[in-house]
Amino acid sequence: AQKVTQAQTEISVVEKEDVTLDCVYETRDTTYYLFWYKQPPSGELVFLIRRNSFDEQNEISGRYSWNFQKSTSSFNFTITASQVVDSAVYFCALSEAVGSGNTPLVFGKGTRLSVIA
Amino acid sequence: EPEVTQTPSHQVTQMGQEVILRCVPISNHLYFYWYRQILGQKVEFLVSFYNNEISEKSEIFDDQFSVERPDGSNFTLKIRSTKLEDSAMYFCASSGTATGELFFGEGSRLTVL
Repeated sequence: AQKVTQAQTEISVVEKEDVTLDCVYETRDTTYYLFWYKQPPSGELVFLIRRNSFDEQNEISGRYSWNFQKSTSSFNFTITASQVVDSAVYFCALSEAVGSGNTPLVFGKGTRLSVIA
Repeated sequence: EPEVTQTPSHQVTQMGQEVILRCVPISNHLYFYWYRQILGQKVEFLVSFYNNEISEKSEIFDDQFSVERPDGSNFTLKIRSTKLEDSAMYFCASSGTATGELFFGEGSRLTVL
């Protein structure tokens, strides 16, 4: 069965600090996809990244970077030089490949990040 | 940039009433989903829809729930007889492919009194 664990419930940092949000997943499938979504105070879910299980290259997008480690079943998310606008709940999610499609996304419980000016 | 739109943004209803939440997915997307998020909790899958039929549903999606794509653009979630525990934010999402990323709408907050 799929499971996503985000052990950090809440994190608070001062602006310009770097912060890493942890995500550990469980799956029996060899082909799966990992996602991060951002939920700002306004409530919508904003897609950040999708990574398939065969691509372990780390990715950087501006101040955001992701570290995918299959050996530890982790897909951690780092924000460099955090800003107040980064304050949000961040969700890690997983779906498994099934035939020509995917299983529905399974979300972690989310990590609430507060960036203080 | 194309986006998923949902209406209403907030609905308050009495227990036992029927509610219809509406979604307009991104126009060239083929896969549609409903998720819900009870306040302060994680996002949970309800149902997926493809080719005019339900492809998968969760345990939450019981006989009180139904989905429909009444025309080429709308995708609706109906709750026949709302319960207090149906109070949540309901998110519609769409995807262009079976394995692609989901784009979510801004959500419809349902409050059942």
